[in-house]
Amino acid sequence: QSVLTQPPSASGTPGQRVTISCSGSSSNIGSNTVNWYQQLPGTAPKLLIYSNSQRPSGVPDRFSGSKSGTSASLAISGLQSEDEADYYCAAWDDSLKKVFGGGTKLTVL
Amino acid sequence: EVHLVESGGGLVQPGGSLRLSCAASGFTFSSYEMNWVRQAPGKGLEWVSYISSSGSTIYYADSVKGRFTISRDNAHNSLYLQMNSLRAEDTAVYYCARESGSCSSCFDYWGQGTLVTVSS
Repeated sequence: QSVLTQPPSASGTPGQRVTISCSGSSSNIGSNTVNWYQQLPGTAPKLLIYSNSQRPSGVPDRFSGSKSGTSASLAISGLQSEDEADYYCAAWDDSLKKVFGGGTKLTVL
Repeated sequence: EVHLVESGGGLVQPGGSLRLSCAASGFTFSSYEMNWVRQAPGKGLEWVSYISSSGSTIYYADSVKGRFTISRDNAHNSLYLQMNSLRAEDTAVYYCARESGSCSSCFDYWGQGTLVTVSS
């Protein structure tokens, strides 16, 4: 049972916009920033979004993040086949631990 | 270029011990906080442990507290995870991950992972 709650799956067709939600509590998302990771099949995770909405160098601007209260969202616009991957949200929890969401498997139809 | 290379994984019996290593290169290791994150087969990511750049501050997930010990050797650019009293549920790929200096609790570089299998 993950501390942060994500939908297990999401899907979209090429070119569409999809969003993935991440729900937490006042001790994690409510008081700390949210980071998002992309994990392509068989590879290590990659930092996709940090500090709620910032993109590391090299991440396309098709990817965007937002946070409101105790929830956060990752949006992917102009969906492409190579976006098919698992996506995880993560944050610091004030109980002195780092927490992940359970992950969302994105399928490009 | 930043490189993190884990080693030390393998098959171990329940109750046994294993020591994982992570060799870092391409950056000033002693300036960065480090973490271990694991992923059970077919499951999601689970944070395991954190160590500050000097080693003076350490945190553990509840699931491993009292059994695992994180440490680092800044002189040899290495991170370690001593795992004792291993259980079947510790079976996972273990990743070492560097914590970025420009964001809170975000991991900007990951190793390729090392597989730990706990089974009799």
